[in-house]
Amino acid sequence: DAGVIQSPRHEVTEMGQEVTLRCKPISGHNSLFWYRQTMMRGLELLIYFNNNVPIDDSGMPEDRFSAKMPNASFSTLKIQPSEPRDSAVYFCASSPVGGLGEQYFGPGTRLTVT
Amino acid sequence: EDQVTQSPEALRLQEGESSSLNCSYTVSGLRGLFWYRQDPGKGPEFLFTLYSAGEEKEKERLKATLTKKESFLHITAPKPEDSATYLCAVQVSGGSNYKLTFGKGTLLTVNP
Repeated sequence: DAGVIQSPRHEVTEMGQEVTLRCKPISGHNSLFWYRQTMMRGLELLIYFNNNVPIDDSGMPEDRFSAKMPNASFSTLKIQPSEPRDSAVYFCASSPVGGLGEQYFGPGTRLTVT
Repeated sequence: EDQVTQSPEALRLQEGESSSLNCSYTVSGLRGLFWYRQDPGKGPEFLFTLYSAGEEKEKERLKATLTKKESFLHITAPKPEDSATYLCAVQVSGGSNYKLTFGKGTLLTVNP
């Protein structure tokens, strides 16, 4: 079975540019999560979708961040405009049980904003 | 506020030298405790879920245990391929029961 797929794997951009990260969850999973990982703060939940509906976006740091899930097999996380402090690894994870239980992570997108 | 603390931050072992990693937690009500393994440049890989004190789970050289305040990941006769960062996370009962709160991890290095 294919796991969670993320693209791109690496993104280098200049401050002020728009960045879009993409995620395809595991087929049949109805919950999707976006996380950010940094050395200082570890793994932090940004937003949680259940059945394509955003349930909790309290972890989204600022209005510059937005996420969508137009269908069960695709989600995007957008940063506009990007800033150097957004540099981190962004992970997408999916879960088959309505958000309860284990979550399965993708390989991540390493974002560098210069 | 839910808190998860892992110790030690880093652990270096010789191949075959057994040891344990600790995950202590402070939560309002525990629904589940999760262990993940993360290799450099990769996403966390799910290992175990523990739901109640006294529960144990095993996989190859790894055994996870749970008490009311902490969890241990015991590594028996480790091999170099066990080198990774091990993360624990808690999921609480109640409204935000989907949320995983992660510790900072333990970086394990096993030397041949």
